[in-house]
Amino acid sequence: KQEVTQIPAALSVPEGENLVLNCSFTDSAIYNLQWFRQDPGKGLTSLLLIQSSQREQTSGRLNASLDKSSGRSTLYIAASQPGDSATYLCAVSFGNEKLTFGTGTRLTIIP
Amino acid sequence: GAVVSQHPSRVICKSGTSVKIECRSLDFQATTMFWYRQFPKKSLMLMATSNEGSKATYEQGVEKDKFLINHASLTLSTLTVTSAHPEDSSFYICSVAGTYEQYFGPGTRLTVT
Repeated sequence: KQEVTQIPAALSVPEGENLVLNCSFTDSAIYNLQWFRQDPGKGLTSLLLIQSSQREQTSGRLNASLDKSSGRSTLYIAASQPGDSATYLCAVSFGNEKLTFGTGTRLTIIP
Repeated sequence: GAVVSQHPSRVICKSGTSVKIECRSLDFQATTMFWYRQFPKKSLMLMATSNEGSKATYEQGVEKDKFLINHASLTLSTLTVTSAHPEDSSFYICSVAGTYEQYFGPGTRLTVT
C-alpha cells in the first residue's frame, strides 16, 4: 500500500525567505506526482504536475523536483509572501487515475 | 484545465436524514470522477471512483449503501449520504479525471446535527 508522508507538518517562516517542503512516498512506481495548495475551508488548487519521466517543474516562484528512486519530491518556494500561507499537499498516482494524498504541510508566512 | 463545481457548498442536516451533493464538470466531458472526504486538519481520503454509466468502485472500508454515487451523465456525478449521522460530518470534495491530472471541485462542508 502506497504511503505518502510530508515533513514538516507545519512550518512558519518570515516573509521573503525561501523554503522547501518535502514529500516522500513508499512505492517508486508512480505515474505522476502533483502538488496542491488548500486554503482553509476551500478546495484544492493544483500547483505543479510532474510526470514520472520528469525531474522537475517550475511555475513562477515555485519549483518542484522528483526523485523516483529515493521516493522523494520537494516543493521549493522562493521569496515567500504572506499570500503563500496555506496547506500544501502532495499526491501520487499510479496511472490508474487514483491519487494518494500526503499528510500535508501547513505553511504560515510571517509578515 | 477543467472547471468543476459542487453544490451545495455547505449543508447542515439532522441526524437520520439524507443529503445529496452534486459535482459538475462545466467544460469537460468527465468519464471518470472521484469522491474524497477530508476530516479537519487531515488529508484527503479517496472514497470511490465514479464511472459514467456504470457502478462506482468503492475504496475499502467505505459503505456503498451509505454513500450512494450516481454518475448518469458526462457532466454530473452525485453523492448521497443516506441516514446521515454526526460522524459523517466532513468536507467532501469531488474531482474530474483529465488526461494527466485531476481537477478538483471547491468542496462541500456537511454538518450533521
